[in-house]
Amino acid sequence: NAGVMQNPRHLVRRRGQEARLRCSPMKGHSHVYWYRQLPEEGLKFMVYLQKENIIDESGMPKERFSAEFPKEGPSILRIQQVVRGDSAAYFCASSLPPGQGVYEQYFGPGTRLTVT
Amino acid sequence: KQEVTQIPAALSVPEGENLVLNCSFTDSAIYNLQWFRQDPGKGLTSLLLIQSSQREQTSGRLNASLDKSSGRSTLYIAASQPGDSATYLCAVNAGANSKLTFGKGITLSVRP
Repeated sequence: NAGVMQNPRHLVRRRGQEARLRCSPMKGHSHVYWYRQLPEEGLKFMVYLQKENIIDESGMPKERFSAEFPKEGPSILRIQQVVRGDSAAYFCASSLPPGQGVYEQYFGPGTRLTVT
Repeated sequence: KQEVTQIPAALSVPEGENLVLNCSFTDSAIYNLQWFRQDPGKGLTSLLLIQSSQREQTSGRLNASLDKSSGRSTLYIAASQPGDSATYLCAVNAGANSKLTFGKGITLSVRP
C-alpha cells in the first residue's frame, strides 16, 4: 500500500508565475489536508477536503490560493501569482473517512516551493 | 483557539541518556494527539498516536503519555542513539477528521 504521494518534490517558480502542487492520498483514504511549513515556523493548517467538497478552508490565505480534490485524480493546491513569501514546504496528509479508524493523518514527503 | 507549545526548542544529550520531550496544549477538548519525527528537509513520520481516552502508548524505545485535564503530553525516549537526532513535533486533533494543530517542535541532537 503506497503512502501519500506528492509531486513535484521541489518546485521553483519566478514571482508572478503559478504553482500547482499535487497530492495522491493513501489507498482507501478519501480525506485530504494541506499544511504549510514556513522557514522557522511550525506547520500550519491550510485546507481540508474530501472528494468534490471543501470541508474547512479556514487556514487558506484569502487571495491567490485555491484547492480542489476532484472525483478522479489527485488533490491540487494552486497558488497564483506567487510571491517570495510563498516559499515554504507544503505537506499533504490523508485519513480514512469518518467512522473508520482513529483518524490518524498520514503525511506525504512534501513539496518544497522556492520563489525567485 | 488551540495553541500547542513545545519547550525547549532544542535539546542536546549524550548517547545512551533517557530523555523526555514535553508538549502542552491550551484546550483540553481534544480527540487525539500525535507525535511526529521530522528529519531535515524531509516529511513527517508518525511515531505514536494517543486517543483522548488513553493515557499512554508505547512503540519500541518510545513511550508517549497524555494528561488531557492538565493539557500535557510527554514523549519518553529510552537509551537515546545518534540516529534519534531529528525534530520532534507534537500535534493535537480537536475532533474526528479535524485539522491538526502543531507545536513548533523540539530539535534533538544526540551526541555520540
